[in-house]
Amino acid sequence: DAGITQSPRHKVTETGTPVTLRCHQTENHRYMYWYRQDPGHGLRLIHYSYGVKDTDKGEVSDGYSVSRSKTEDFLLTLESATSSQTSVYFCAIRSSGTGELFFGEGSRLTVL
Amino acid sequence: GQQLNQSPQSMFIQEGEDVSMNCTSSSIFNTWLWYKQDPGEGPVLLIALYKAGELTSNGRLTAQFGITRKDSFLNISASIPSDVGIYFCAGTVNTGTASKLTFGTGTRLQVTL
Repeated sequence: DAGITQSPRHKVTETGTPVTLRCHQTENHRYMYWYRQDPGHGLRLIHYSYGVKDTDKGEVSDGYSVSRSKTEDFLLTLESATSSQTSVYFCAIRSSGTGELFFGEGSRLTVL
Repeated sequence: GQQLNQSPQSMFIQEGEDVSMNCTSSSIFNTWLWYKQDPGEGPVLLIALYKAGELTSNGRLTAQFGITRKDSFLNISASIPSDVGIYFCAGTVNTGTASKLTFGTGTRLQVTL
């Protein structure tokens, strides 16, 4: 157990509404990541954080913003959800020692 | 950005058979990782490789970091039903502020009795 909790695990929302997904870790790791997983694309990096208030874009960051006000929480926000953002979202933390990534259980988002 | 080509996309094998899957890239990676994902779960790390040529085993699983640093393979020996799932390769390039992990598109493994 890597001490990662994602919430909510499932959410259905309508186009145009804001959505926030939360990733909480209990391991005090510096690096946290948000990925989305879609059929045929594997996992693609949305945003990542390398410390409190330090974030950077991944390969599919358009339409998403993130915030990291505390070490343990990394929030992913869709300001105005679109149907193309229907996906499964995974948070990950990076082990300080080995550099390996450990994933949460995922948040399934459906935008109608 | 970097892309990882993972093959095969899917495999149907009988229990007891050996399995081999691989991942190739046009770019050099510093680290190769292999993950397994069960339905409704997040990917779980199976094996991590850190040096070109490295061969590492984890039970019935064996993975190698290619000499050119552009490929890796994963072998599963004597497959069992619980090996069913999606296997992802992933490569890391250190970019200064953070290592970014690039994933392959996955190999879906089905095991029949």
